Amino acid sequence: AQTVTQSQPEMSVQEAETVTLSCTYDTSESNYYLFWYKQPPSRQMILVIRQEAYKQQNATENRFSVNFQKAAKSFSLKISDSQLGDTAMYFCAFMKPPTGNQFYFGTGTSLTVIP
Amino acid sequence: DTEVTQTPKHLVMGMTNKKSLKCEQHMGHRAMYWYKQKAKKPPELMFVYSYEKLSINESVPSRFSPECPNSSLLNLHLHALQPEDSALYLCASSQGGPGNTEAFFGQGTRLTVV
Repeated sequence: AQTVTQSQPEMSVQEAETVTLSCTYDTSESNYYLFWYKQPPSRQMILVIRQEAYKQQNATENRFSVNFQKAAKSFSLKISDSQLGDTAMYFCAFMKPPTGNQFYFGTGTSLTVIP
Repeated sequence: DTEVTQTPKHLVMGMTNKKSLKCEQHMGHRAMYWYKQKAKKPPELMFVYSYEKLSINESVPSRFSPECPNSSLLNLHLHALQPEDSALYLCASSQGGPGNTEAFFGQGTRLTVV
């Protein structure tokens, strides 16, 4: 079975600063996907960034980037130039292709951006 | 259209009521999911439909009954619920099959059982 661990239940960051959210996972699979989802107070889960395990290059989406360490089974999210709209719960998630019919979510990190 | 639409957004029901939650997507996705989410907790998988067939039931009590009438629609029928069933119910969809790369989520239905 796959497990996903987020060791930081709550974090805060000043507006315009950089923050890193941690995620570790455990799997015996060699091919899989990792995700960071954001859930603001509006409730909708929004995909922030995706990483394919077979790709060595770290994924980047604008202000969001990941540090993917496959051997260490670590997948952290870096948010640069934090904005008030980044305030949300952030969930790390694991999916095993090809059917990927199960997403395994971490326990979440509540991020608050302080003006 | 990358939307998953859930109705209603809020629902209050008594323990003897029967109600249904509805989820719709028009992205051609062939996998659809129901998740239950308590406050400040991660979503917990309840059911997965793959190509309109129930493929995963995570030992959910029979008072929750899923239905997939066609590839675009997913229902969750509720009957004789308990107060502890109050939660946010999220629907999601994904491409399914070898092209599966991510799940798209709806905004959820906030369910309160009184």
